[in-house]
Amino acid sequence: EAQVTQNPRYLITVTGKKLTVTCSQNMNHEYMSWYRQDPGLGLRQIYYSMNVEVTDKGDVPEGYKVSRKEKRNFPLILESPSPNQTSLYFCATWPGEGGTEAFFGQGTRLTVV
Amino acid sequence: KNQVEQSPQSLIILEGKNCTLQCNYTVSPFSNLRWYKQDTGRGPVSLTIMTFSENTKSNGRYTATLDADTKQSSLHITASQLSDSASYICVVVPFSGGYNKLIFGAGTRLAVHP
Repeated sequence: EAQVTQNPRYLITVTGKKLTVTCSQNMNHEYMSWYRQDPGLGLRQIYYSMNVEVTDKGDVPEGYKVSRKEKRNFPLILESPSPNQTSLYFCATWPGEGGTEAFFGQGTRLTVV
Repeated sequence: KNQVEQSPQSLIILEGKNCTLQCNYTVSPFSNLRWYKQDTGRGPVSLTIMTFSENTKSNGRYTATLDADTKQSSLHITASQLSDSASYICVVVPFSGGYNKLIFGAGTRLAVHP
């Protein structure tokens, strides 16, 4: 079964405490991407990766880091979280071709106090 | 200004009724246009994908249409069910050659009441 697994699903943390949200896919897709979703706004791209060791910034990369050491994993790192990073985060993956379906994880609801 | 605008923001209908959701976009050129369903607190799930040359695509009770000349798309839901209550998101993929970009609308929140 095609799966995109994010962990944790819910997280409450304090300002400045480093955290990592993991994303793993079992479909051998080249593309992986992180989005954040805030009320009244569409999903906004944070970072994306076209393959192992290839990453690039999306529209809202400030305050985030990513790495792609293995094809299946694409963790999102917040080195020093701030309250404005409170949001719902989604990981997505798709093959290299543009017309193919994208698969999303279940989401991680992050609250920074 | 958002490149993908959806209307209405929210909609309430009675079970069994039909409804149509709208999407206007300015992204050009584009590779394909997608409609996703997102249940509360869950990840989006694909309903339809249309290339720029397609006019319509169906998935069960969901039918998407595309007018590339006017840059408009609609999602029609027939004989609505309570399980259709969700947000519906229009997504445009630019023809950038890299396929790394999905441009999301803010979504239409649909509530189906008994």
